[in-house]
Amino acid sequence: GAGVSQSPSNKVTEKGKDVELRCDPISGHTALYWYRQSLGQGLEFLIYFQGNSAPDKSGLPSDRFSAERTGGSVSTLTIQRTQQEDSAVYLCASSPGLAGSSTDTQYFGPGTRLTVL
Amino acid sequence: KQEVTQIPAALSVPEGENLVLNCSFTDSAIYNLQWFRQDPGKGLTSLLLIQSSQREQTSGRLNASLDKSSGRSTLYIAASQPGDSATYLCAVLPTGYALNFGKGTSLLVTP
Repeated sequence: GAGVSQSPSNKVTEKGKDVELRCDPISGHTALYWYRQSLGQGLEFLIYFQGNSAPDKSGLPSDRFSAERTGGSVSTLTIQRTQQEDSAVYLCASSPGLAGSSTDTQYFGPGTRLTVL
Repeated sequence: KQEVTQIPAALSVPEGENLVLNCSFTDSAIYNLQWFRQDPGKGLTSLLLIQSSQREQTSGRLNASLDKSSGRSTLYIAASQPGDSATYLCAVLPTGYALNFGKGTSLLVTP
């Protein structure tokens, strides 16, 4: 079946503009995760959803970042008033089970490469 | 905060060699440890998942071990091939849901 898909694959924007990044998880997966991979840095956790709820938003780097998930499926990560330090690859992952299970594997999408000029 | 370190940062080997990638983590309270592969411009592909109660997992030419008490894991790749060239990421799942990743080992297997 289809894997996790993300759109757009690349996004170039000007400083100060808002951007929306989309994630389509694997059908039936209840948990959805957003990570960020900055140049020279490891992957950094941003937020996760169990269903449509986001129990932990503490990984979001600032209040310019927000995310929502609707219908237990598609998720959108929104960055307002983008800054150059927001430039990174934003990765989405989904998993079929309850987040935090020892056997739960996260399946990753190809990512969205965001460049803020 | 859980810190995950991978050594070496980069590795180049001739085709056919066996190799070992290392991962260490600071807090032994984990649910599992996973090894991922990342190809340029692609997402992450899960290679092996070792639950905290397990010592190792094998898949084809790959074998991963876990020593929770010492905070170490190794990924062993047998008979390396040029198609194995990629970045290999180690990640631990602490008591929660957010994977903590190392910065990866960039592997180049030359023909």
